[in-house]
Amino acid sequence: DTAVSQTPKYLVTQMGNDKSIKCEQNLGHDTMYWYKQDSKKFLKIMFSYNNKELIINETVPNRFSPKSPDKAHLNLHINSLELGDSAVYFCASSFWGGNTEAFFGQGTRLTVV
Amino acid sequence: TQLLEQSPQFLSIQEGENLTVYCNSSSVFSSLQWYRQEPGEGPVLLVTVVTGGEVKKLKRLTFQFGDARKDSSLHITAAQPGDTGLYLCAGVHYGGSQGNLIFGKGTKLSVKP
Repeated sequence: DTAVSQTPKYLVTQMGNDKSIKCEQNLGHDTMYWYKQDSKKFLKIMFSYNNKELIINETVPNRFSPKSPDKAHLNLHINSLELGDSAVYFCASSFWGGNTEAFFGQGTRLTVV
Repeated sequence: TQLLEQSPQFLSIQEGENLTVYCNSSSVFSSLQWYRQEPGEGPVLLVTVVTGGEVKKLKRLTFQFGDARKDSSLHITAAQPGDTGLYLCAGVHYGGSQGNLIFGKGTKLSVKP
């Protein structure tokens, strides 16, 4: 039973399209995150949601919007996709608070052509 | 933005050798975590160090947190091919936004048989 699951695992799409990546966690965590890992493997936080409230919104384009229908889900919507959006996107979850372990999904490899 | 600098960026060694990976910052962290990421997977937590000067061992892996809580090291004894992967350190920001893991850029380790 997968703790943090994201779909799809691979996504190939054309520039200008709108796409969504879904994430679900069954760990009972109260905080979920989206990270972007670029081609150099640098993992950078994009958003975090705690109890359905956006806590952190790093300097990402407003074409990216997280949507959290409930504590167990945090979906990522991307509008007007650009070539530079190609990367691996990871969903993660944890309990809110310091020293907390983050559990990651398997990632979604997005390729914009 | 508080940065975590990891070194070396790449490491290729023979089975049986020892190695050390470093994670340094000018900022103080309430804790540092080490993750390992294998191709096509999300990062998986190896250990969390919380107290300055703390040393934790996980089989052949030894983790140390600096006295000032600004740096950490990972030492692997007698490396094996199964140790191959991307090692990421991540800091929980001291006194800042809780739950925000700041990742280093990773050390890609390759252990050849």
